[in-house]
Formats: sequence, structure tokens, C-alpha cells
Amino acid sequence: EIVLTQSPGTLPLSPGERATLSCRASQSVTNNYLAWYQQKPGQAPRLLIYGASSRATGIPDRFSGSGSGTDFTLTISRLEPEDFAVYYCEQYGSSLWTFGQGTKVEIK
Amino acid sequence: QVHLQESGPGLVKPSETLSLTCTVSGYSISSGYYWGWIRQSPGKGLEWIASIRHSGDTYYNPSLKSRVTMSVDTSKNQFSLKVNSVTAADTAVYYCAREGQAAAVGGYWGQGMLVTVSS
Repeated sequence: EIVLTQSPGTLPLSPGERATLSCRASQSVTNNYLAWYQQKPGQAPRLLIYGASSRATGIPDRFSGSGSGTDFTLTISRLEPEDFAVYYCEQYGSSLWTFGQGTKVEIK
Repeated sequence: QVHLQESGPGLVKPSETLSLTCTVSGYSISSGYYWGWIRQSPGKGLEWIASIRHSGDTYYNPSLKSRVTMSVDTSKNQFSLKVNSVTAADTAVYYCAREGQAAAVGGYWGQGMLVTVSS
């Protein structure tokens, strides 16, 4: 089973700043089947990025994903007030899905 | 637009069976994709539980496999989850979801349903 480790656990930033979130896998992720989700309090997660770097429908282009193998990054180029939330990475491989523990982007 | 809605008891007694159903509208389960359950304990992260295709092919989280069963009813466009022998540790918001592109477990999500295990 692949374990995903996200860092940092909490990221205090101000609106307009750039956010860089990391997701590291314990083994290489098959076919870069790596996704990123945003979750706000009381809401279901929302898919942002799939296939490591493709934006889901309706996701603003300030969100971008990169990486391959075991190291992946979600970048928010300029934080908007609505971007302060918890972000999870998730991977699929060997008939299993696993999530990282999450990174909370909070207002500094 | 794909819409998913969880339903079932919100309170389950310890040692009993938790049963949830996800009703899908706007897309036929028989058309494809994996349909899954994910849960989130209060204040915690996301945990994938299980996923199923219309054919019945099912994948389970190894840590829960001994207590979990998923099924699909294509005639009702629903899929279901049963968790046996529940404890307080099974208290969580349970989400149903449809697979997205590139095997993302949750391209579309239900709103989630809180299930509390308590006597």
C-alpha cells in the first residue's frame, strides 16, 4: 500500500501570496494517478487536479499540479480569500486508493 | 449533471451493522466508472473505504475489508455499503462518490452523511 505524506501540515499565508503544497509517496505512483482535492468546513471535497497536472472542470488556472514518480506539488499562484481550506492528495494503484493526511492553508 | 445522495440511519449501536445507500441521478451506474465510499472521522482526514463497478468488481481498503461489503443495484441506480461490528471509531461523515478522470476516486461527491455509533 502506498503511503502519501503531505507537507507542511499547516501553511499560514496572506491573500495574494503563492502557496506550494507537497505530497510525497512511499513508492512510485502508477501512471501518475495522483489527484488533489480542496475541502472547506462542512463541505464535501472538490476535485482540483487529476493525473498529477490536469485541472478538473471549472477549476481556476491559479491552481496547478506538477510532479511525477514519488514527488508531487500543488501550487496556488495567488491566494484568493476562498482558497483558504484543507487540501488532500490521493493516489490510485494496485486496486487501492489512499489519501494524504492533508495540508491546511490558513490566513496569516 | 451527476448527483449523488447518501441515505441511511444516522445513529447505529455498537456491535451492530451500519448500512448506507447512495442514490445516483444524472448518470447511469451501468455506463461505467467506479463508485465508492469515503469517510472522515470528526476533525480527521479522508479514508477510502471501498469502490465498485456496475459489473460487481469490488475493491476494499485492506484495513476494513473484513467488516465491509459493497453492492450495486443498477435497476435502482444505487450502490450500498455495510460495515459490520461497528465501534465508536466508525463514527464519521460517510461520502459516496463517482470516480473521476485518471482514476481519481472522487470526481463527483455526495454531500456526506454523519453516522454516529453510540448506545
